[in-house]
Amino acid sequence: AQTVTQSQPEMSVQEAETVTLSCTYDTSENNYYLFWYKQPPSRQMILVIRQEAYKQQNATENRFSVNFQKAAKSFSLKISDSQLGDTAMYFCAFRQGAQKLVFGQGTRLTINP
Amino acid sequence: DTGVSQDPRHKITKRGQNVTFRCDPISEHNRLYWYRQTLGQGPEFLTYFQNEAQLEKSRLLSDRFSAERPKGSFSTLEIQRTEQGDSAMYLCASSETSTLSEQYFGPGTRLTVT
Repeated sequence: AQTVTQSQPEMSVQEAETVTLSCTYDTSENNYYLFWYKQPPSRQMILVIRQEAYKQQNATENRFSVNFQKAAKSFSLKISDSQLGDTAMYFCAFRQGAQKLVFGQGTRLTINP
Repeated sequence: DTGVSQDPRHKITKRGQNVTFRCDPISEHNRLYWYRQTLGQGPEFLTYFQNEAQLEKSRLLSDRFSAERPKGSFSTLEIQRTEQGDSAMYLCASSETSTLSEQYFGPGTRLTVT
């Protein structure tokens, strides 16, 4: 069974700083997808960025980028120029095919003014 | 259609009562997923449908839980004889069938069992 581990329960940075959230996963599959989801306080979960395992190039979406290390089964999220609106729970998730998502425990990120 | 909707948003019930939640997916999405999220944890998969067929159920889905999607559109999740351990946020998500498609989440139904 696939597992996803986020080892940082909480992180806090100052506005405009760069922050990196860690995620490791375990799978025996070769083709899969990895995601970072954001869940703001009392608001619904939204997709931040995704990575297809067959792509070597790291995904980037504006201020958000990932460092995907397939051999190490590592998938970290970097947020550049952090903003107050980035304050949220961040979940790393794994998916094989078009099936269920397997989530990590989450990292609570606080951006301080 | 602006997204996945769930009803009710909050439900407080007494132990032993039955509850039913509803999820309306994005209209063109034929896959629908249910997840459960306890406080401070990541969501855990419960079950999913492709159209009206229930294709997978988690072992978390005990026999007190039943989900339906009768016409391949909205879905209901029923919990019978609720227990305090059922207190959680119940999330619904929908997607297209393509492996590249994203799951879009609803706002969730927060259940409190007293």
